[in-house]
Amino acid sequence: GNSVTQMEGPVTLSEEAFLTINCTYTATGYPSLFWYVQYPGEGLQLLLKATKADDKGSNKGFEATYRKETTSFHLEKGSVQVSDSAVYFCALKLSGGYNKLIFGAGTRLAVHP
Amino acid sequence: EAGVTQFPSHSVIEKGQTVTLRCDPISGHDNLYWYRRVMGKEIKFLLHFVKESKQDESGMPNNRFLAERTGGTYSTLKVQPAELEDSGVYFCASSPASGGYNEQFFGPGTRLTVL
Repeated sequence: GNSVTQMEGPVTLSEEAFLTINCTYTATGYPSLFWYVQYPGEGLQLLLKATKADDKGSNKGFEATYRKETTSFHLEKGSVQVSDSAVYFCALKLSGGYNKLIFGAGTRLAVHP
Repeated sequence: EAGVTQFPSHSVIEKGQTVTLRCDPISGHDNLYWYRRVMGKEIKFLLHFVKESKQDESGMPNNRFLAERTGGTYSTLKVQPAELEDSGVYFCASSPASGGYNEQFFGPGTRLTVL
């Protein structure tokens, strides 16, 4: 079936370190891919998205490239800040008029000064 | 503009009791979604309203869960009777009328604990 797999957390980094959070997916057709972020005490916020193969989504210094050949959408940031500490969710939306999002289990990131 | 709001933020009930969760979407958003995250696992889709109609309820786990959206504004999700495995965080999201993908805006969630 359709699913999203993320690397397990927590991921603990020092400020200014390089971040990668792996995400792979299984889906029929040509899904759209998303990264959502949940800061403490808040709802999920859309961080970035990509709607077709080889698209790169980017926002707030974060990037992810839609790789159809490896069915991946890994999240990267060159230099993390303490304020990036949050839970990150990878998600997909199937093509063909389905609106629901299919999420991974989330990866908690803790950045220390 | 106010975002998606959910009430209560936390609820602790005993097995067998009834709980009703409420979601107020962003004003004017026709689409309303319920999701839940159980035990730190993936967030799972429950159902999707378009205005007051249920568009997709394929994720509802069983008939102990009842969702309504009277008048196409706020929505309620009732769990009756609650079981231990219903514990988790219930998220609501809304988006504007369909026509291409519209970003889903999420509320902060309701944390439900069933003892």
